[in-house]
Amino acid sequence: DTGVSQDPRHKITKRGQNVTFRCDPISEHNRLYWYRQTLGQGPEFLTYFQNEAQLEKSRLLSDRFSAERPKGSFSTLEIQRTEQGDSAMYLCASSRLPGQGYEQYFGPGTRLTVT
Amino acid sequence: GENVEQHPSTLSVQEGDSAVIKCTYSDSASNYFPWYKQELGKRPQLIIDIRSNVGEKKDQRIAVTLNKTAKHFSLHITETQPEDSAVYFCAASGGALTFGSGTRLQVQP
Repeated sequence: DTGVSQDPRHKITKRGQNVTFRCDPISEHNRLYWYRQTLGQGPEFLTYFQNEAQLEKSRLLSDRFSAERPKGSFSTLEIQRTEQGDSAMYLCASSRLPGQGYEQYFGPGTRLTVT
Repeated sequence: GENVEQHPSTLSVQEGDSAVIKCTYSDSASNYFPWYKQELGKRPQLIIDIRSNVGEKKDQRIAVTLNKTAKHFSLHITETQPEDSAVYFCAASGGALTFGSGTRLQVQP
């Protein structure tokens, strides 16, 4: 399967715990994006990378959230001191560089439940 | 930042009828406008997109139109089928995507 993959698919954690999610993009894609989606809403942008560089972070992104893409391939999203409001589907997407194609393809998501 | 508004929020049509979903955006710098279909519990799937240098694009039963002056774009689905039932999201981008709030389309057999 050469699509975007995410791990784990589901995560249940207690409030105050830290969680980390992984995303593996399509191999030839330079850009990697993180979005969050709550029930009944469209995906909401969190941050994105071009190769290793984090180019943009949403102003809505709490400082409890951090993302890395250390070798320009897979990425991790960490949430520290989770809160119940963090419960959502966390989606990863990848794309080529703008001059090569704008299409973003999504992974299956990681569903986080904070109890 | 970019703001995308989408309507209607729900749309019910009879099989074989056409469906139209409309979106407006605020940032004139946005230059890419994709549409995604999301079935319950699944990932958003790209169904069609349009660049700002094009006014209309068609792919079989699906078409998208873009009016840059008015900052609005629309999705048209003709000859709807029950399997078209899903939530549809529009988005606008100059980099990351800003999504609309979604339209739940129900096609009645």
